[in-house]
Amino acid sequence: NAGVTQTPKFQVLKTGQSMTLQCAQDMNHEYMSWYRQDPGMGLRLIHYSVGAGITDQGEVPNGYNVSRSTTEDFPLRLLSAAPSQTSVYFCASNSGYNEQFFGPGTRLTVL
Amino acid sequence: AQSVSQHNHHVILSEAASLELGCNYSYGGTVNLFWYVQYPGQHLQLLLKYFSGDPLVKGIKGFEAEFIKSKFSFNLRKPSVQWSDTAEYFCAVMSPGRRALTFGSGTRLQVQP
Repeated sequence: NAGVTQTPKFQVLKTGQSMTLQCAQDMNHEYMSWYRQDPGMGLRLIHYSVGAGITDQGEVPNGYNVSRSTTEDFPLRLLSAAPSQTSVYFCASNSGYNEQFFGPGTRLTVL
Repeated sequence: AQSVSQHNHHVILSEAASLELGCNYSYGGTVNLFWYVQYPGQHLQLLLKYFSGDPLVKGIKGFEAEFIKSKFSFNLRKPSVQWSDTAEYFCAVMSPGRRALTFGSGTRLQVQP
């Protein structure tokens, strides 16, 4: 099993550009989440999904969109990148009320 | 809304010293509790978890944590740290209503040889 995979590992964008961060898991987990990690702030929940076709907002959803068309994939879209979105993004998945497994992260810089 | 507080932001210890990192959470109901570790340049890995039962839980690499319900605390301990324990440690909770984690701000541990 590959677990949770994320692409790309690094990305540099200019302000106003859009892009999609990819996340996939092969553990058949019904729950998936996106977090951003910023120094001194821990990880903050952006969006999460409780199953295919069902998503909900976390603590910091503004500027991001998600969709979940399959159990395996949970892409995160930045509609119009801003410097405040410079961060490290982690995708995670879990089965039920249980521990989450994390991907390796995407380091995003917005100039 | 639930929240998690980690009071120690940066801890510096010498090898063989004992470690205790504080974690307090606010939530009125039952939660699952976790400690994750992030080694430099790596993603998060689970150290240990508490769901129910014995409030003293043991995890990997000699770490343990104690759940004290009356204090809403879940402190992480290790009797003797090693240089390889240098990392950032995150406390997190998961409530039944949402299958995602709420994290504390993290504690950066630096172990000096």
